[in-house]
Amino acid sequence: GAVVSQHPSRVICKSGTSVKIECRSLDFQATTMFWYRQFPKQSLMLMATSNEGSKATYEQGVEKDKFLINHASLTLSTLTVTSAHPEDSSFYICSARDPMAGAWGETQYFGPGTRLLVL
Amino acid sequence: KNQVEQSPQSLIILEGKNCTLQCNYTVSPFSNLRWYKQDTGRGPVSLTIMTFSENTKSNGRYTATLDADTKQSSLHITASQLSDSASYICVVSSGGGNKLTFGTGTQLKVEL
Repeated sequence: GAVVSQHPSRVICKSGTSVKIECRSLDFQATTMFWYRQFPKQSLMLMATSNEGSKATYEQGVEKDKFLINHASLTLSTLTVTSAHPEDSSFYICSARDPMAGAWGETQYFGPGTRLLVL
Repeated sequence: KNQVEQSPQSLIILEGKNCTLQCNYTVSPFSNLRWYKQDTGRGPVSLTIMTFSENTKSNGRYTATLDADTKQSSLHITASQLSDSASYICVVSSGGGNKLTFGTGTQLKVEL
């Protein structure tokens, strides 16, 4: 299956700093990527949908000025957590949509996740 | 409102035993239903994906069933192994696969 990578796998930062997380589709071009957040023992929550070359679409309740998303190429989307605070500590997972998979096939491939800890 | 409910919430079984996880959904329009395995601290990995016309699909020791009429799915794990310990998530997609509704998962622990 298709491969999606994330970098870094884990990051620890001080409160008030900004953290950038990269999501790459390694063997396909992803016109659409998705960013999720997962708190312990909870399911994935969609934060935003990232479309290459256009602004991201944020889910209700997600601050677009705090979680900056850039999808500058067909294989790379970045999520920047600005002025991070301890409550932003979470597991951030991206997924990439394979446009060639068709409506009935596996269309989203998940990255391995990034563990963010804000002290 | 689109919802996916899973049961049980958690499950402990002995190595070598079988188990079945349940998923009920109210998602419309329906595109497909997926089962994912998520190890702790890792991203979800797809196990099976089924469209409305498929009743069952297997992937090794994993067998998923789908009843589109009752909107129920199950994931059966045969001859469990310690490495099967993980969270199993039922995900229903709509809108051509772009919109995913996630279940809260079943936390499975396989013990010796």
